[in-house]
Amino acid sequence: DVKVTQSSRYLVKRTGEKVFLECVQDMDHENMFWYRQDPGLGLRLIYFSYDVKMKEKGDIPEGYSVSREKKERFSLILESASTNQTSMYLCASSLLSGQRDTQYFGPGTRLTVL
Amino acid sequence: ILNVEQSPQSLHVQEGDSTNFTCSFPSSNFYALHWYRWETAKSPEALFVMTLNGDEKKKGRISATLNTKEGYSYLYIKGSQPEDSATYLCAFQTGANNLFFGTGTRLTVIP
Repeated sequence: DVKVTQSSRYLVKRTGEKVFLECVQDMDHENMFWYRQDPGLGLRLIYFSYDVKMKEKGDIPEGYSVSREKKERFSLILESASTNQTSMYLCASSLLSGQRDTQYFGPGTRLTVL
Repeated sequence: ILNVEQSPQSLHVQEGDSTNFTCSFPSSNFYALHWYRWETAKSPEALFVMTLNGDEKKKGRISATLNTKEGYSYLYIKGSQPEDSATYLCAFQTGANNLFFGTGTRLTVIP
């Protein structure tokens, strides 16, 4: 079974703090993704990575950056957290780039920025 | 950002009832359509990946159909059980790696 884990289920941070959300997958997947989910909206893609050190902007990258130094780990960084980044963040991975592959999701991190 | 719509937004059914809901998506640039089930406090779980017009997929009491020409997919649950209570998400894939998600249908099955 593919396992995608996220470092925290709940996180509370203050405005202006630098925040790191970590995601690890254990199935040697090429692709990793970060989404956010807000009430009344579908999951929206922030960034994805199709290989180590490679990244692509998704639909809403502003205010975020990412890091993928190892294949199994994909980090989402909020350089200076703001209240409008309060959200549920989900990480996902899939096997191959450009395929009709299932994305496997982590359980999510609910981030509150005060 | 592409428009993927799911209806209804929420649904309450009695245990044993059968139910269905809809995912509508653009009929151009179709690559695949994904269905996920997301139970509270758990990870979204993949149900189906549908790729061809007319596809029908089945997993236990859950099945799905696909019409790419008119841009819709139906998810059916036969004989709903309380453990089917979840949010059901569909996601439209245009190629490459991007999935565009609908807002989901929240199903509650009343014992």
